[in-house]
Amino acid sequence: EVQLVESGGGLVQPGRSLRLSCAASGFTFDDYAMHWVRQAPGKGLEWVSGISWNSGSIGYADSVKGRFTISRDNAKNSLYLQMNSLTPEDTALYYCAKDRHLVVAAAKSAFDIWGQGTMVTVSS
Amino acid sequence: QSVLTQPPSASGTPGQRVTISCSGSSSNIGSNTVNWYQQLPGTAPKVLIYSSNQRPSGVPDRFSGSKSGTSASLAISGLQSEDEADYYCATWDDSLNAWVFGGGTKLTV
Repeated sequence: EVQLVESGGGLVQPGRSLRLSCAASGFTFDDYAMHWVRQAPGKGLEWVSGISWNSGSIGYADSVKGRFTISRDNAKNSLYLQMNSLTPEDTALYYCAKDRHLVVAAAKSAFDIWGQGTMVTVSS
Repeated sequence: QSVLTQPPSASGTPGQRVTISCSGSSSNIGSNTVNWYQQLPGTAPKVLIYSSNQRPSGVPDRFSGSKSGTSASLAISGLQSEDEADYYCATWDDSLNAWVFGGGTKLTV
């Protein structure tokens, strides 16, 4: 069964850090780009970051650039998101999503598999 | 304020056909294909349409997508109660170098 399972969310104070993980199974992880997408409570979807199959191409939303770092370990079939200098505006459900292609923005790309998400709450 | 503009709500009765629009610009929809996602209440999003008009296996042919210029549309025919969900369009933006989503449309059946 193709599956993505996120972990690492929780309650954190403003200015602190948190590291999210996403464990992939049921597909050849290093054949695909991967992404993080977040959804604030009651709000819409926002792309956070994406990474190509070999980590050679990485992209970030302007809202997190310089604070968040995406990475992957193909040997462990895992995706990560290191989040620093967190603010209340980062409070959201964070989804891990698989791309249909190798790279972050290929023609015909789409996020075809999603995890159930891990909740991050930034509050004092 | 989302880069892609969708109507916040849409509605229809069972069996009807509804259309949801997504408006962008030359740097996003005008240059790239569009994907549509369905998010049922309390669940993760699911891809409905990719490459503007392609359906993944398992998605009923009641769902169809189209694109023209800087706008895209999702059409749902033979509306069913289980289609009640939030729908999002998405595409790559060449200027922002980022994936962008519409604000979402809540469909009521």
